[in-house]
Amino acid sequence: GAVVSQHPSRVICKSGTSVKIECRSLDFQATTMFWYRQFPKQSLMLMATSNEGSKATYEQGVEKDKFLINHASLTLSTLTVTSAHPEDSSFYICSARELNTEAFFGQGTRLTVV
Amino acid sequence: AQSVAQPEDQVNVAEGNPLTVKCTYSVSGNPYLFWYVQYPNRGLQFLLKYITGDNLVKGSYGFEAEFNKSQTSFHLKKPSALVSDSALYFCAVRDMYDKIIFGKGTRLHILP
Repeated sequence: GAVVSQHPSRVICKSGTSVKIECRSLDFQATTMFWYRQFPKQSLMLMATSNEGSKATYEQGVEKDKFLINHASLTLSTLTVTSAHPEDSSFYICSARELNTEAFFGQGTRLTVV
Repeated sequence: AQSVAQPEDQVNVAEGNPLTVKCTYSVSGNPYLFWYVQYPNRGLQFLLKYITGDNLVKGSYGFEAEFNKSQTSFHLKKPSALVSDSALYFCAVRDMYDKIIFGKGTRLHILP
C-alpha cells in the first residue's frame, strides 16, 4: 500500500515552546490530509482536514491558532503545536489520501510537554 | 450523522480459533467502511474496505469482513487467530464530508 511518513516519532519539549510535526506521502500525491489526536486507550479524534493549497478545516473545539496546519504541497502537511502545554501531550497521527481512495496513516508522533 | 459503533472493548480468543470483531454503522446513503489495526505506539494500518460489490471483503493478513446491509454491520473476521493478531482494531466510515470517523476501538487478545 501507499506509504505515509510522519516525523518525528517522539518529541519532548518544554512548556511554552512550539513543536512542528511533518507528514509526507512518499509515493502518491495526497489531495487531502487529516490530523488526529489519540488519548491513551481511546479512539482517534479528528482535529482538522487540509487540502493542498487551501486553509485547513478544523473540527469543533480545536483551536486553530494553537494547532497550525499547513498543506503547502501535494506530499507534505505540517502540524505545529504552538505555546505547548502539558495537556497537549498526546499521540498525534496524520493520514493522507488521493482522491477517492482509502486513507493511509503515518506512524504517529508521541508528544510530551514538560 | 455518520457513525460506527464497536460494542466490545476487548475480545479474547484462543490461538487457532476463529475470531470476530463486531462493528455496526449508521450512515445516510451508501456506506464506505474500513477496518484498521493499530499496534502499540504506532499509526494505523489499513486492513480492508467496503465500497461496493461483494458483501464479503478480503483484506490483509488473512482478515475478511462481511457487509450486512439489513443488520447495518461490518464485522471483521479471521478463520484462525494468531498471537501476532493481538492489537487494537478500529472500524471506520467515511462521511459525506469525506472525513473518516472511527469507532472507539476493540482490543483483541489472542491467547497462546
